[in-house]
Amino acid sequence: GQNIDQPTEMTATEGAIVQINCTYQTSGFNGLFWYQQHAGEAPTFLSYNVLDGLEEKGRFSSFLSRSKGYSYLLLKELQMKDSASYLCSVTDSNYQLIWGAGTKLIIKP
Amino acid sequence: GAVVSQHPSWVICKSGTSVKIECRSLDFQATTMFWYRQFPKQSLMLMATSNEGSKATYEQGVEKDKFLINHASLTLSTLTVTSAHPEDSSFYICSAGTGDLNEQYFGPGTRLTVT
Repeated sequence: GQNIDQPTEMTATEGAIVQINCTYQTSGFNGLFWYQQHAGEAPTFLSYNVLDGLEEKGRFSSFLSRSKGYSYLLLKELQMKDSASYLCSVTDSNYQLIWGAGTKLIIKP
Repeated sequence: GAVVSQHPSWVICKSGTSVKIECRSLDFQATTMFWYRQFPKQSLMLMATSNEGSKATYEQGVEKDKFLINHASLTLSTLTVTSAHPEDSSFYICSAGTGDLNEQYFGPGTRLTVT
């Protein structure tokens, strides 16, 4: 079957760095997305990786290794507003979206 | 865990016809459901938010008369694409929320192809 694994919950300190990992097993691969979702709101797009390597966008970076079926989202200089759930999803060979359950990130002062 | 289903998983229709997509929360009551659209290699785009028993709230640029949303019960929301055109071909995804604002569960999506 197809699945995506990411930690259920993580805690970090304001101003620090946190890395949220995502591993996937899918039938084919056509890209990996990271989304941020605040409580009660719809997810918002953070990043899209289709090639191996690191994509940097401000305080957020996303890394992909297709051979390892692995990605991570790196958040730097954490702010309280970064407290949210972070969703990893993969597009398979049929362009179907496979979703991870999300990682709830708690930022402490 | 909470499961959200969508039906159909894929559909092909002719231009000018209407298509209905169902989103069901199988083991919980969903007070809020979101409908998204995603084009290949692009991010999710929120179309509308629906609360059970009330009218859906549409995002700017989404035609409410073209994309009819009905959230008739706590376990079912439907999206009807009326008078479909080829440019409506896309991947439509729903998500369902419980009373806990931290919980949001996504359906597997419906791929619509309009010929």
